[in-house]
Amino acid sequence: AQSVSQHNHHVILSEAASLELGCNYSYGGTVNLFWYVQYPGQHLQLLLKYFSGDPLVKGIKGFEAEFIKSKFSFNLRKPSVQWSDTAEYFCAVNARDSGAGSYQLTFGKGTKLSVIP
Amino acid sequence: GAVVSQHPSRVICKSGTSVKIECRSLDFQATTMFWYRQFPKKSLMLMATSNEGSKATYEQGVEKDKFLINHASLTLSTLTVTSAHPEDSSFYICSARAGGRYNEQFFGPGTRLTVL
Repeated sequence: AQSVSQHNHHVILSEAASLELGCNYSYGGTVNLFWYVQYPGQHLQLLLKYFSGDPLVKGIKGFEAEFIKSKFSFNLRKPSVQWSDTAEYFCAVNARDSGAGSYQLTFGKGTKLSVIP
Repeated sequence: GAVVSQHPSRVICKSGTSVKIECRSLDFQATTMFWYRQFPKKSLMLMATSNEGSKATYEQGVEKDKFLINHASLTLSTLTVTSAHPEDSSFYICSARAGGRYNEQFFGPGTRLTVL
């Protein structure tokens, strides 16, 4: 079965600092990759996704992520964070589960981002 | 994006009782719905996947008799926690998707279950 690792549990940044959140997955086949964001008190929302094509994916609110197949990574980046980016960020992989035979979304444990004004 | 609602948002119940959580897709037809459980400081764990009109597929380790899932229509799925115990206390999140795996999954706001 696939697994997703997010290296940082909690990241604290000042406004205007650059952000990079790591995400690695383990799965040998074709994957679809996602980053979700959960703002305080709100539900999960899709930030961006990668299915195929250009490995550099641009999402909403200035976020982007780069799929590096050789490294099994899909790191999330933003050049300049804002206080409103304070949230929890989840990386997820959609791959076929060998047991069930169906595609399922596997989530990382999440990274809490706190942006200090 | 599309909207998925959950009801109730928060429920407290006594040990041994059953609790039903509803998940609705408000502006699209969800052919597939997913139920997740989220523990504090941990990722979302998929409990089961259900397609409208058919039995849910449960993940390994999830008791199907304890967590009853009904996907009766294209806009409604319910999760019933039967004979709840304190260890069932958790945050339950549903997700809905229209069409196949290339379609986006939309998430509900979650239901906080506390079993006393």
